[in-house]
Amino acid sequence: AQTVTQSQPEMSVQEAETVTLSCTYDTSENNYYLFWYKQPPSRQMILVIRQEAYKQQNATENRFSVNFQKAAKSFSLKISDSQLGDTAMYFCALVGMRFGAGTRLTVKP
Amino acid sequence: DTAVSQTPKYLVTQMGNDKSIKCEQNLGHDTMYWYKQDSKKFLKIMFSYNNKELIINETVPNRFSPKSPDKAHLNLHINSLELGDSAVYFCASSQTGTGMNVRGYTFGSGTRLTVV
Repeated sequence: AQTVTQSQPEMSVQEAETVTLSCTYDTSENNYYLFWYKQPPSRQMILVIRQEAYKQQNATENRFSVNFQKAAKSFSLKISDSQLGDTAMYFCALVGMRFGAGTRLTVKP
Repeated sequence: DTAVSQTPKYLVTQMGNDKSIKCEQNLGHDTMYWYKQDSKKFLKIMFSYNNKELIINETVPNRFSPKSPDKAHLNLHINSLELGDSAVYFCASSQTGTGMNVRGYTFGSGTRLTVV
């Protein structure tokens, strides 16, 4: 069975600082894909970043990057230079779309 | 143009009624899904459907049924609505495959269903 665990229900960060959101997962697949989705108050689900398990290089998208540790089954999201518009729920997901419970991130001015 | 569109965005209805939520995608994806997001923001998959296979989450009551007139549409019908059905329902689509085709899901903007 696939599981995705986000152990931080809520986090906050000051504007312009860096924050890391944690995610661990379990799967019996050898090749798979991981995703981070953002859900702002508008409730739209927005894909932030994706990682292919067979790639050792961590994915980056502008201010968003991941720390992918395959052996530890860990997939954390780092947001650099946090902006007020980053305030949202963040969901980690495994292909097959098992979602974690989400982390509510608040960026404070 | 909206990639995955759901209608209506808001739906308020009385217990016992039957209602439908429509979903359309113009991405040419071969698989569509319905998710339910509860008040605690937990996302739970209800159905996944492509031309070949309907996969139903066994925890979904049989009052919920997906209807797909063609590969671009997957509507959700709900019979005998209950208070506990109140939630946000998301439609999503994806293209099955490997490698660069696995780009995750594209979601609709959600339908907030309130049963009173």
